[in-house]
Amino acid sequence: EPEVTQTPSHQVTQMGQEVILRCVPISNHLYFYWYRQILGQKVEFLVSFYNNEISEKSEIFDDQFSVERPDGSNFTLKIRSTKLEDSAMYFCASLTAAKNIQYFGAGTRLSVL
Amino acid sequence: GNSVTQMEGPVTLSEEAFLTINCTYTATGYPSLFWYVQYPGEGLQLLLKATKADDKGSNKGFEATYRKETTSFHLEKGSVQVSDSAVYFCALSVTGGFKTIFGAGTRLFVKA
Repeated sequence: EPEVTQTPSHQVTQMGQEVILRCVPISNHLYFYWYRQILGQKVEFLVSFYNNEISEKSEIFDDQFSVERPDGSNFTLKIRSTKLEDSAMYFCASLTAAKNIQYFGAGTRLSVL
Repeated sequence: GNSVTQMEGPVTLSEEAFLTINCTYTATGYPSLFWYVQYPGEGLQLLLKATKADDKGSNKGFEATYRKETTSFHLEKGSVQVSDSAVYFCALSVTGGFKTIFGAGTRLFVKA
């Protein structure tokens, strides 16, 4: 069964550093998403991306965050200058318009020290 | 706005007990409803779904019925196992490529 792939599984970084989280969505999907889950808390929507542009973003997704689909397969989340409170599990998801089901990756655990 | 409310945990049950985790929603339009499961240290897995009123989603012995009149999507299982210990998230999504909105999650512990 096709799946969403995220790399790395765990990223450790120093406060103030830039990080890029990578995702390979399912190949025929057209909608892409990032979500965040701070340890022990609920899963929160960050951003959705369709047709090479952001279609919706939450209040969390401020100027420190950006997304990109640099080629036909990858979808990346960049955090420009990480803060301690960015430590969380980040999930990528993708969806095809034919079925309203988002498929989630296994997540990247980001630890900001 | 759209939102999901689910019962607070943790829920602690003995093996073979009956499980119910309540979930209610508020949505504009006609959402699809989901239950996701997160095992310790892992990502989100889709457990089951229902896309319209009166649909019943089922998987691995778990069931949930989309009740439009009560705006509910309660998760049930007749006989839980230790391996069912996880966090369960109720969620909704409105058609059109929109985001998924999650409930706060309910942690389930099953004792042998």
